[in-house]
Amino acid sequence: NAGVTQTPKFQVLKTGQSMTLQCAQDMNHEYMSWYRQDPGMGLRLIHYSVGAGITDQGEVPNGYNVSRSTTEDFPLRLLSAAPSQTSVYFCASSYGRKETQYFGPGTRLLVL
Amino acid sequence: SQQGEEDPQALSIQEGENATMNCSYKTSINNLQWYRQNSGRGLVHLILIRSNEREKHSGRLRVTLDTSKKSSSLLITASRAADTASYFCATDEWLTGGGNKLTFGTGTQLKVEL
Repeated sequence: NAGVTQTPKFQVLKTGQSMTLQCAQDMNHEYMSWYRQDPGMGLRLIHYSVGAGITDQGEVPNGYNVSRSTTEDFPLRLLSAAPSQTSVYFCASSYGRKETQYFGPGTRLLVL
Repeated sequence: SQQGEEDPQALSIQEGENATMNCSYKTSINNLQWYRQNSGRGLVHLILIRSNEREKHSGRLRVTLDTSKKSSSLLITASRAADTASYFCATDEWLTGGGNKLTFGTGTQLKVEL
C-alpha cells in the first residue's frame, strides 16, 4: 500500500490565485481530514470527511473548500490564496473515529 | 486551542540514554496518540493509547497514560541518533459531524548526540 499520498510537495502561489491540493489513500479508510501546521500553533483541523459525499468544517475552514466524491480522494481547494495561508498542509486518514490517523508527507505552500 | 502541551520543549541527550517526554491535556479524551516528525517531513504515528489503558509498549517505546492527572509520558529507551526528531502528543476529540479531531501540542524537539 502507498498509504496516504499528497501532491504537490511544494507550491508557490501569488495572492488571489487558486489551486487544489491533492490527497489520496489506498487503505479504504472512511475518515479523511486536512490539517495545517504553522510554527508555534501546532496542527489545526481545516476540514474533514466521514465518508464519500460527506464533509464538514474543522477549526479553520475559511478560505478552503473540500469535496469527497470517492472514498480514496479528498482534495483541498484554495479559492483565492492569501499570504496567511502560507503553511504546511497535511492530509490524514483513518479506518474509524477511534482509530489511528495516518498522515501524508505534506504539501508546503508559499503564498506571495 | 492546544489541548496537549509537551514538556520539555527541547531535550538533548547522548546516544544510549533514555528520553522521557511528557504531555498534559485539559479535557476528557477517547485516546491519545504520539507522533514523530523529522525536520521538514510528515508525521509518523508511533503509538495510540486508549483512555482505559494505563501503559503500552512498542519496541523501544513505552507510553503511560494517567487520566486522573490528564497526562501522558513517552519513554524512548536506548536512544539512537536516528531518534532525533520532534515528538507530538495528540488528543482525540469526537466531532458532532461524526468525525474526530486530533489536537496537537507544540511538540518536544529531541536531539540525540553521538
